[in-house]
Amino acid sequence: AQTVTQSQPEMSVQEAETVTLSCTYDTSESDYYLFWYKQPPSRQMILVIRQEAYKQQNATENRFSVNFQKAAKSFSLKISDSQLGDAAMYFCAYRRSNSGYALNFGKGTSLLVTP
Amino acid sequence: SAVISQKPSRDICQRGTSLTIQCQVDSQVTMMFWYRQQPGQSLTLIATANQGSEATYESGFVIDKFPISRPNLTFSTLTVSNMSPEDSSIYLCSVGRGLTNTEAFFGQGTRLTVV
Repeated sequence: AQTVTQSQPEMSVQEAETVTLSCTYDTSESDYYLFWYKQPPSRQMILVIRQEAYKQQNATENRFSVNFQKAAKSFSLKISDSQLGDAAMYFCAYRRSNSGYALNFGKGTSLLVTP
Repeated sequence: SAVISQKPSRDICQRGTSLTIQCQVDSQVTMMFWYRQQPGQSLTLIATANQGSEATYESGFVIDKFPISRPNLTFSTLTVSNMSPEDSSIYLCSVGRGLTNTEAFFGQGTRLTVV
């Protein structure tokens, strides 16, 4: 079974600063997808960024980027120029190759953004 | 993207009763899933809702407790049966489109409290 580990239950960052959220995973597969989802208090799960395992280039979406280390099975999220609206729970997720869109989630990191 | 409507958004139920949660998508989707998010926890996959056949349940979840229907490609229901306080959670519907689209979309969830 594929497991996803987020070792930081809570993180704090000052507005306009940069923060990195950690995620590691365990899998025996070579082809898979990794995701970061954001869940604000509204409960809506919002896709932040995705990474295909076969791509060596790290994914980037505006202020969000990842550091994907396939050999180390590490998938960290970097948020640059943090904004108050970035405050939320962040979940790292692994998509199993034979399960369509079913995801394995980590336990989440609660991000606090201070003015 | 996909617009997902979940009903009810929240409910408070007596133990021993059942609640049916509806998930309506604005367009046809190939796959639909149900997740549970216990208080302060991550999302755990309950089952894959299969159109025209029985749902596929994950380990630890059974049909008698969580019966699922999927009569067509835009609608599914999850019933939480014979509820106990341990069933108090957020239940989320998730969908995915064709095989080339990697993103899973989520409804806003149903917050269930069992008293």
